[in-house]
Amino acid sequence: AQSVTQPDIHITVSEGASLELRCNYSYGATPYLFWYVQSPGQGLQLLLKYFSGDTLVQGIKGFEAEFKRSQSSFNLRKPSVHWSDAAEYFCAVAADTGRRALTFGSGTRLQVQP
Amino acid sequence: DAGITQSPRHKVTETGTPVTLRCHQTENHRYMYWYRQDPGHGLRLIHYSYGVKDTDKGEVSDGYSVSRSKTEDFLLTLESATSSQTSVYFCAITTTTGSTEAFFGQGTRLTVV
Repeated sequence: AQSVTQPDIHITVSEGASLELRCNYSYGATPYLFWYVQSPGQGLQLLLKYFSGDTLVQGIKGFEAEFKRSQSSFNLRKPSVHWSDAAEYFCAVAADTGRRALTFGSGTRLQVQP
Repeated sequence: DAGITQSPRHKVTETGTPVTLRCHQTENHRYMYWYRQDPGHGLRLIHYSYGVKDTDKGEVSDGYSVSRSKTEDFLLTLESATSSQTSVYFCAITTTTGSTEAFFGQGTRLTVV
């Protein structure tokens, strides 16, 4: 069965600082990987996705993520955080066959200090 | 936003009462899902559907049932609500071609008192 671990429950960074959110997955084959963001009281918005090809993927809002098969990781990065990035971030993995459902990590809440 | 509408958006109900949440989509997607979101657990799959009248269980299906009589509607029913079912419920779809990227509704906040 697939699983996702987000080791950091809560992260605080200063505005303008760089950000890296960690994600480790467990899946037998090549995974489909996603990062979603959720602002308070809102639904989930897709930031970026990885299916194949270039292991460094670019997303919306200046985010990027790097797929590292050897480490089973898909960490999310942003070079300079803005106050509006404060939200909860979820990493997810999916199979490309069968029910196609996402398995989510428990999330990382990002707080941005002025 | 993939044309997903959830109703109601908020509901308070009493323990032991039945509750039905509705997910409506306008783009004829085959796959639909119900997740629940709880602090510290992320989102967990309750049930999913891969076509009209074709449904199956997810990881946290106990106490829930679903129905899909039309492509556009996916209903989640709590037959007898319990306090442990207080949660935020999200409906999602995935497209049938290419990626398994999921699009989510705005969620339904359900409180069982």
